[in-house]
Amino acid sequence: GQNIDQPTEMTATEGAIVQINCTYQTSGFNGLFWYQQHAGEAPTFLSYNVLDGLEEKGRFSSFLSRSKGYSYLLLKELQMKDSASYLCAVRDPSYGQNFVFGPGTRLSVLP
Amino acid sequence: ETGVTQTPRHLVMGMTNKKSLKCEQHLGHNAMYWYKQSAKKPLELMFVYSLEERVENNSVPSRFSPECPNSSHLFLHLHTLQPEDSALYLCASSPAGNTEAFFGQGTRLTVV
Repeated sequence: GQNIDQPTEMTATEGAIVQINCTYQTSGFNGLFWYQQHAGEAPTFLSYNVLDGLEEKGRFSSFLSRSKGYSYLLLKELQMKDSASYLCAVRDPSYGQNFVFGPGTRLSVLP
Repeated sequence: ETGVTQTPRHLVMGMTNKKSLKCEQHLGHNAMYWYKQSAKKPLELMFVYSLEERVENNSVPSRFSPECPNSSHLFLHLHTLQPEDSALYLCASSPAGNTEAFFGQGTRLTVV
């Protein structure tokens, strides 16, 4: 089967650091993706990991451990505009190379 | 702006109506997708077209009917829907290979 878990909601303070975790159990694995989705808008691509380790992109970093089926998205120097849902997704070759999405984590950044 | 455009942005329809959702991309991508996003549930893949041929339908009810006339356009035809079909319907496209998908802004559908 395929299952991706994320916390439903998180709250953090402006200027702080927040880590959003994602665990996955999929039949196959061909990359893990993080998307940001503001309310009423399209999901937009943030990061991609296919090998173990940390990928850094400005204020955002993403980590992957394939042996543990685990990833996290790290957001530094939080800004109010970072309030959004963050979606974790796995490309699964056994699912036609399509994405399996997690339920998303709604992050609220408070002043 | 992701390069994927969906129309309409909002749609209210009765259970006996027939309507269509439209998606357009001019990114040169080979694959196009329809997803359903319901409150507090993961994005659900409905249909995939690769090089204009349908490759996945995930046992979606027949009241949803996709059409891909060319590599830039994708439609979702709706008829005799149920209130539980109310959701955000998202279109996405991607190039060949293991790359990210680009999403449209979605159509917010309400079935009354």
